[in-house]
Amino acid sequence: QKEVEQDPGPLSVPEGAIVSLNCTYSNSAFQYFMWYRQYSRKGPELLMYTYSSGNKEDGRFTAQVDKSSKYISLFIRDSQPSDSATYLCAMSAGAGNNRKLIWGLGTSLAVNP
Amino acid sequence: ETGVTQTPRHLVMGMTNKKSLKCEQHLGHNAMYWYKQSAKKPLELMFVYSLEERVENNSVPSRFSPECPNSSHLFLHLHTLQPEDSALYLCASSQDPLAGSGTQYFGPGTRLLVL
Repeated sequence: QKEVEQDPGPLSVPEGAIVSLNCTYSNSAFQYFMWYRQYSRKGPELLMYTYSSGNKEDGRFTAQVDKSSKYISLFIRDSQPSDSATYLCAMSAGAGNNRKLIWGLGTSLAVNP
Repeated sequence: ETGVTQTPRHLVMGMTNKKSLKCEQHLGHNAMYWYKQSAKKPLELMFVYSLEERVENNSVPSRFSPECPNSSHLFLHLHTLQPEDSALYLCASSQDPLAGSGTQYFGPGTRLLVL
């Protein structure tokens, strides 16, 4: 079983739709959770960062962490064509030997005008 | 220049060539990373340097040789590569790799093709 599972898609939605992207994980020690966005021919850029459980909102983006279910989500409201990219989840258990980031495969999202 | 820059952006090399990838970070960070990104695979961490000292080497073949002369520059020296080494090579930096918060900043990558 992979430590982090993420459906690679592709996911195609119309402009204005609410998008839900998800990752599941198996290591209960993970406590730092990140979403990165990667445009074509670019490197990943940090989009959202959450420590432990709960929600975090930034504009049209909301990140949720449910540690009891080992499940994290990224919601995009009022999606725009400029949101078309690959979204990667990443997580780590913390400091020291557990600091290594474990990555999902990434989900390819296309928002159609 | 701002952020993390990488050169070259594209590279084609034969299996007997020697080439180097260069990364420079302008963020004042203490740590730098090399990742390999291949289709249908998650990002693979190759090397981590903290304050110019290598702190992690994830069983990478010796045909990849990193060099970190200072906290702003990172190189990846390539020699006798194989076609399966064709991928996007990403450089990243962070403030403190040992803190575990995971906030890494990436360059645009070098797209490598080995013939």
